[in-house]
Amino acid sequence: DGGITQSPKYLFRKEGQNVTLSCEQNLNHDAMYWYRQDPGQGLRLIYYSQIVNDFQKGDIAEGYSVSREKKESFPLTVTSAQKNPTAFYLCASSAEWDRPQHFGDGTRLSIL
Amino acid sequence: QKEVEQDPGPLSVPEGAIVSLNCTYSNSAFQYFMWYRQYSRKGPELLMYTYSSGNKEDGRFTAQVDKSSKYISLFIRDSQPSDSATYLCAMSEGGGAGGTSYGKLTFGQGTILTVHP
Repeated sequence: DGGITQSPKYLFRKEGQNVTLSCEQNLNHDAMYWYRQDPGQGLRLIYYSQIVNDFQKGDIAEGYSVSREKKESFPLTVTSAQKNPTAFYLCASSAEWDRPQHFGDGTRLSIL
Repeated sequence: QKEVEQDPGPLSVPEGAIVSLNCTYSNSAFQYFMWYRQYSRKGPELLMYTYSSGNKEDGRFTAQVDKSSKYISLFIRDSQPSDSATYLCAMSEGGGAGGTSYGKLTFGQGTILTVHP
């Protein structure tokens, strides 16, 4: 089945540690996105990529980094510079920028 | 003031009721409007996608957009317990040919809906 796979479902980070969240899609979509969701808040955009080897900062990029080496993959690294990383992270993709975005089932990141 | 305002609820209704969910927004450049449904510990699922003003119906769901009032609504008819979820509105400006728009979505904070038997 076509879709977006995020892994792991749950992740724990120690102080000073970088962690990487995986996002893979087999929808042949060009555009991919990373969002952060906090309780009682809407989704906030971290990074987005319209095409392979290109990505742009969203509204809350500080403390995060991404890469887009393959069309189907858009991993997100939460660095130690992100002081409040506990959140639900959602990856999305769309065929083109003006088409609806479809989401994976998220990764919940917590601090040890 | 947030760009998109959505009443967080929670909203509790009996099975079979008509549910009305609403969002207001301040950015007149928004052209694309979406409603997502999110179950607990899951990602949002696209329910409705509309462009500009007007109505769109899909089964028990009807989306309305009133750009003059900067107001969008989602109606759920004959609500079911399986409709219990958080409903998120989202919107984007779109963009023209050669523009820099990338389809950025701006979300409301979500409305928690419970439909009880």
